[in-house]
Amino acid sequence: GAGVSQSPRYKVAKRGQDVALRCDPISGHVSLFWYQQALGQGPEFLTYFQNEAQLDKSGLPSDRFFAERPEGSVSTLKIQRTQQEDSAVYLCASSLGLSLLGELFFGEGSRLTVL
Amino acid sequence: KNEVEQSPQNLTAQEGEFITINCSYSVGISALHWLQQHPGGGIVSLFMLSSGKKKHGRLIATINIQEKHSSLHITASHPRDSAVYICAVRTAAGNKLTFGGGTRVLVKP
Repeated sequence: GAGVSQSPRYKVAKRGQDVALRCDPISGHVSLFWYQQALGQGPEFLTYFQNEAQLDKSGLPSDRFFAERPEGSVSTLKIQRTQQEDSAVYLCASSLGLSLLGELFFGEGSRLTVL
Repeated sequence: KNEVEQSPQNLTAQEGEFITINCSYSVGISALHWLQQHPGGGIVSLFMLSSGKKKHGRLIATINIQEKHSSLHITASHPRDSAVYICAVRTAAGNKLTFGGGTRVLVKP
């Protein structure tokens, strides 16, 4: 596609449910990032992939959060046993190169609300 | 203390006014990004800077590496410039961006 695509755009989950958020980066982009943005806050880093390799997952807030990019293109962020504090917009971004030297392209985000 | 601080947090301007948003950071960086986020929308990259100054249309971004400070200027502001403007830095150490809290800009007609 022309840009970074995320789905679903909106997700409402009951506390304790598992959710999966999908990111389709721009075709050919090597680097893929996930960020979490709470209401009124700036985005916070979650994890970084270079192709299929997850090189940095230091931002994942707990072991309930898991991300994968098995074929080096589409990525899925999974949150198990969701809690209310997980409510946020989850942003995916990709860039062509191996690091952040190049321009970063963001998706529209997936807004998760945990009731 | 946040590694990236933006000021002001909120800004209201009349159409046509000159707007300045400031970003200060406390870590060593290799690049700084200015991003724009519209309500309910995704984030658009405006500039990536490692030194000096860049201009695109009515937008100007400057950075002073020694002072660890960057500014984003909007000349002849327009209501469509209303958005949240976010400063983000790439540290020299790794591949993550550290974001400021954003500046919410409202331009009234």
